[in-house]
Amino acid sequence: AQTVTQSQPEMSVQEAETVTLSCTYDTSESDYYLFWYKQPPSRQMILVIRQEAYKQQNATENRFSVNFQKAAKSFSLKISDSQLGDAAMYFCAHQLNFGNEKLTFGTGTRLTIIP
Amino acid sequence: GAVVSQHPSWVICKSGTSVKIECRSLDFQATTMFWYRQFPKQSLMLMATSNEGSKATYEQGVEKDKFLINHASLTLSTLTVTSAHPEDSSFYICSAREQQAYEQYFGPGTRLTVT
Repeated sequence: AQTVTQSQPEMSVQEAETVTLSCTYDTSESDYYLFWYKQPPSRQMILVIRQEAYKQQNATENRFSVNFQKAAKSFSLKISDSQLGDAAMYFCAHQLNFGNEKLTFGTGTRLTIIP
Repeated sequence: GAVVSQHPSWVICKSGTSVKIECRSLDFQATTMFWYRQFPKQSLMLMATSNEGSKATYEQGVEKDKFLINHASLTLSTLTVTSAHPEDSSFYICSAREQQAYEQYFGPGTRLTVT
């Protein structure tokens, strides 16, 4: 079974600064996907960024980037130039790449942006 | 594109009654749909996976007779909470995935309150 661990229940960052959210996972498989989702107060799950395990290059989406360390099974999210709208719960998730495989979520990190 | 809707967004029902929640993929065919439950300040817990035209696969510990899932078409899945009790009060989220795709698209969620 896959597990995802987010060791930071809460994080805070000054507006315009950079923050990194940690995520580690455990799987015996080699082909999988990793995701970061954002859940704002509206509770709508929003995909922030995805990473295919077979790709060595770290994914980047505008101010969001990841540090994917496959051997260490680590998948951290870096948010640059933090904005007030970034305040939310952030969930790291893992999904195997075959069949009807399901998402396994971490416990989440609540990010607060300090004006 | 890739929009998933849920109806209702909020429902209150009396203990002992049943309530149905709909999940629709608006602009794609969802061969697989997932139902999650989320308690306050917690992560998403997968309840079941449903494939169009097939019986749902329930996660361990989820009562299939209490949480009835139907996925009768490629754009609609329903979750019926039967004989609801106050402990069933929660936030229910669905997601949908196209055939041979790996990404899930999430609905906005339904808040169920059982009095």
